[in-house]
Amino acid sequence: GAVVSQHPSRVICKSGTSVKIECRSLDFQATTMFWYRQFPKQSLMLMATSNEGSKATYEQGVEKDKFLINHASLTLSTLTVTSAHPEDSSFYICSAPGLAGYRTDTQYFGPGTRLTVL
Amino acid sequence: AQTVTQSQPEMSVQEAETVTLSCTYDTSESDYYLFWYKQPPSRQMILVIRQEAYKQQNATENRFSVNFQKAAKSFSLKISDSQLGDAAMYFCAYLDSNYQLIWGAGTKLIIKP
Repeated sequence: GAVVSQHPSRVICKSGTSVKIECRSLDFQATTMFWYRQFPKQSLMLMATSNEGSKATYEQGVEKDKFLINHASLTLSTLTVTSAHPEDSSFYICSAPGLAGYRTDTQYFGPGTRLTVL
Repeated sequence: AQTVTQSQPEMSVQEAETVTLSCTYDTSESDYYLFWYKQPPSRQMILVIRQEAYKQQNATENRFSVNFQKAAKSFSLKISDSQLGDAAMYFCAYLDSNYQLIWGAGTKLIIKP
């Protein structure tokens, strides 16, 4: 099936620094990718929709300047947490709907990135 | 707006037994997709089963099957012959017209050996 990778899988950083998380579709092109945040024992919360070649669409309550999303190619979307603070510590997951041979009505998920801000 | 409700925060089942996880949803659309995803301790989201609303036949994938009741807006997941590897969080999800998934709160499934 379609494969989505994320890097890094785990990151620890100091408060005030910025962290970049990469999401790649390995065997299919993804014009759209979704970024989620998941707190322990909770469901996934959609943060934003990343669109190749255009600005991301953010969900209500998500700070655009805090969570910068760039979707520069058909296989790569990045999420940068700027000036991270301890409350940004969470599990971040990306997903992409299948295209070109894969089911477009099914999302394929990356393995997630655990961010810890000290 | 669409909503998805999972009313069982936690379920437990004896190994080799059958368990059913409940999910209800609300929508005004007539054509849509529903999913069950599994999230094991590794936290990788794994697609368990999908159902197209226009199909009356319930989807099945090996030991996993759904009971899709469109009129009642119910979409339950049945796991037969439960195995230790089935222990995970299970999320019910609805795909909206923007290809965004609307998620339920999840059900933690515990398998008793």
